[in-house]
Amino acid sequence: EAGVAQSPRYKIIEKRQSVAFWCNPISGHATLYWYQQILGQGPKLLIQFQNNGVVDDSQLPKDRFSAERLKGVDSTLKIQPAKLEDSAVYLCASSLTQGGGWETQYFGPGTRLLVL
Amino acid sequence: GEDVEQSLFLSVREGDSSVINCTYTDSSSTYLYWYKQEPGAGLQLLTYIFSNMDMKQDQRLTVLLNKKDKHLSLRIADTQTGDSAIYFCAESRPGGYNKLIFGAGTRLAVHP
Repeated sequence: EAGVAQSPRYKIIEKRQSVAFWCNPISGHATLYWYQQILGQGPKLLIQFQNNGVVDDSQLPKDRFSAERLKGVDSTLKIQPAKLEDSAVYLCASSLTQGGGWETQYFGPGTRLLVL
Repeated sequence: GEDVEQSLFLSVREGDSSVINCTYTDSSSTYLYWYKQEPGAGLQLLTYIFSNMDMKQDQRLTVLLNKKDKHLSLRIADTQTGDSAIYFCAESRPGGYNKLIFGAGTRLAVHP
């Protein structure tokens, strides 16, 4: 079974530029998550999709971050404009259904973003 | 607050047992998890425990839960160099959409 795919793996941009990340979840997984992991910290949920609808975006900085999941499969996360504090690893995860707390979230390798 | 707390670093000798500790915040959390992160990789689920359990064993891994103190621990028996990684504790809160709250991670270093 193929895992969660993310691209690019690394990105370096200057502040105020725009950047986009792509995620392809495990086939058949209804729920998709984007996490931000700042160096030395644990992952923090930015947004969660159930199929192509948003169920939690309470920690997404909506003035600069946006995300979409067209057709309930792939997803893109965009930052516009980027700030220095956005430097982090952006992790995508997916799970089979919304489910209960027991449901496993499968993580991709992440996109490491450096904002200069 | 929302903090899940873990010690930042643990060093053990190969073959010894490792114990990684975690304190979580929400007594109503339903599931508690341990994830492993190797350099440059995503997070891998190691094990989880339901809040009505005290202990769970899975091969070399033993999870202990003290719900009264909101304390969770992960014991790795016969620690190997391949166990060197960052270990994250996470809690799943009820009523949400499977939202996980992670600790900052414990870096485990295994030396010969």
